[in-house]
Amino acid sequence: AQSVSQHNHHVILSEAASLELGCNYSYGGTVNLFWYVQYPGQHLQLLLKYFSGDPLVKGIKGFEAEFIKSKFSFNLRKPSVQWSDTAEYFCAVQYTGTASKLTFGTGTRLQVTL
Amino acid sequence: DTAVSQTPKYLVTQMGNDKSIKCEQNLGHDTMYWYKQDSKKFLKIMFSYNNKELIINETVPNRFSPKSPDKAHLNLHINSLELGDSAVYFCASSPPTGAFTEAFFGQGTRLTVV
Repeated sequence: AQSVSQHNHHVILSEAASLELGCNYSYGGTVNLFWYVQYPGQHLQLLLKYFSGDPLVKGIKGFEAEFIKSKFSFNLRKPSVQWSDTAEYFCAVQYTGTASKLTFGTGTRLQVTL
Repeated sequence: DTAVSQTPKYLVTQMGNDKSIKCEQNLGHDTMYWYKQDSKKFLKIMFSYNNKELIINETVPNRFSPKSPDKAHLNLHINSLELGDSAVYFCASSPPTGAFTEAFFGQGTRLTVV
């Protein structure tokens, strides 16, 4: 079955700390990969996406993610977090032939303290 | 201009009632979705329509019935509401398959069944 795992459920960091959130997906052929962010009380917004090409993708607000095909991983990173990064982060995978549906991970709640 | 808009934003209703949530997108996309986010923030697809045609119907009780009068609208009707239906329901849309299939999400509808 197609599934996406996010290992960290709740992460607490101080401002300026570095961030890495893990995401692994089950094998299912060609995939498109996404990270979405949900700020408190708001809708999902796209942070970044990977379809093909350079496996290191840069997104908005200083976030980046690296696709490692051999590890079925797409980890999200940011060198220095800010208080305003406090949010829920979702990894999502689109498997080929699934009519564009997104399979989401369980989400990681990031709390950044001052 | 709101790209994907849902109404209402909040919906509180009693068990057994029938309710509808409306969704409209002005992005010119062909594909629209309904996702459900439960109390643990887990997101799961419910339905997807492409040009008014149902293409994804996950394991959802038949009390839930999507309706797409045209490709810019996808409404969700729920009969005989149950306590377990309480969740946030997100509408989304995406361009035609084959193009970049990033999904754009609405603000969500928080449904509370009492």
